[in-house]
Amino acid sequence: AQSVTQLGSHVSVSEGALVLLRCNYSSSVPPYLFWYVQYPNQGLQLLLKYTTGATLVKGINGFEAEFKKSETSFHLTKPSAHMSDAAEYFCAVSRYGGSQGNLIFGKGTKLSVKP
Amino acid sequence: EAGVAQSPRYKIIEKRQSVAFWCNPISGHATLYWYQQILGQGPKLLIQFQNNGVVDDSQLPKDRFSAERLKGVDSTLKIQPAKLEDSAVYLCASSLLGQNYGYTFGSGTRLTVV
Repeated sequence: AQSVTQLGSHVSVSEGALVLLRCNYSSSVPPYLFWYVQYPNQGLQLLLKYTTGATLVKGINGFEAEFKKSETSFHLTKPSAHMSDAAEYFCAVSRYGGSQGNLIFGKGTKLSVKP
Repeated sequence: EAGVAQSPRYKIIEKRQSVAFWCNPISGHATLYWYQQILGQGPKLLIQFQNNGVVDDSQLPKDRFSAERLKGVDSTLKIQPAKLEDSAVYLCASSLLGQNYGYTFGSGTRLTVV
């Protein structure tokens, strides 16, 4: 069965520092992988997704993630944190591979950015 | 384009009462999802519709939860009777047919059962 593990429920960085949010997945089929961001009292917004092809995926707001099959990882990075990046981030994997839109989410990582 | 609309934004009910949530997806989006997000956890899919047919409801607690999608547009999720553990944010999302994972989420309905 598919699953997602996000390492660290809370990550704190200084403004301008590297952001690294970790995600490991388990999937019995070639995975589709996603990162979503959730600001307080709002729905989830898609940051980026990996379906097939290039393993380094660029998303919105300067974020990117690299699919590493050998490590079953899909970590999210941003070179320089901004105060506006403070939010909760969710990694997700497709339940049935690419055939349906059904997602399994991790428990989330709350990112704090210190001035 | 207008986003996914959900109402109400907040709801407080007593256990054993019933409650209903409404979702209006983006115009033309054939696929609609209801997710439950309990505090401190990631969203969990409850039910997926394609037009007005159910694609996946394997995680919907059918003894108390029901959902329908009228004419393939608006959708209603109902809980009857509610339990304390149903306290969560209920998120609706929609996507174009064939555009898997091009989700747009609504802002959700925060339910508190006391």
